[in-house]
Amino acid sequence: DAKTTQPNSMESNEEEPVHLPCNHSTISGTDYIHWYRQLPSQGPEYVIHGLTSNVNNRMASLAIAEDRKSSTLILHRATLRDAAVYYCILRLSGTYKYIFGTGTRLKVLA
Amino acid sequence: DTEVTQTPKHLVMGMTNKKSLKCEQHMGHRAMYWYKQKAKKPPELMFVYSYEKLSINESVPSRFSPECPNSSLLNLHLHALQPEDSALYLCASSQVSRQALNIQYFGAGTRLSVL
Repeated sequence: DAKTTQPNSMESNEEEPVHLPCNHSTISGTDYIHWYRQLPSQGPEYVIHGLTSNVNNRMASLAIAEDRKSSTLILHRATLRDAAVYYCILRLSGTYKYIFGTGTRLKVLA
Repeated sequence: DTEVTQTPKHLVMGMTNKKSLKCEQHMGHRAMYWYKQKAKKPPELMFVYSYEKLSINESVPSRFSPECPNSSLLNLHLHALQPEDSALYLCASSQVSRQALNIQYFGAGTRLSVL
């Protein structure tokens, strides 16, 4: 079964880059990798997604390993508002299903 | 407008009560989802509706009854719940197109307590 593995928690200093890792060794060739984050008392919100190539958007960058068995979400300059639980998710090909990882709780220190 | 609205925000109910959770979106999305999220855990998929028809039921107990009366609304009817059903219930919606990446937009959730 598809599965993702993430560290339980990470800390970062404000204004510094953060690299959030995710392992997904059981990924299939056409499963997309999505990242969402969940702020306190809110539903998850979309951050970024990718299939094979590295991706950048205004929120973050996504670096995907060549074998696709792992990926890293990069926040270039962490702010206090980035403190949240970050979920690495596999969107199973041909389905509506998201397979959520256990999430990494990011703490940003002022 | 990328908003998914869920009501009520909080709900307390007894084990013999009947209540409903409501979800609404006006993004033209034709796929809608219910998730259950326990404290400090990731969301777990419960149901998926596509074009107002039930597409996925993740073996959810019959005391949870979903309904999709139109393309903008999704309800979750609750009856004879157990205390272990206390959780945050999240609604989400997405496009259906195969070319789209089915990015899901989530509501803020209904926090349910069953006494």
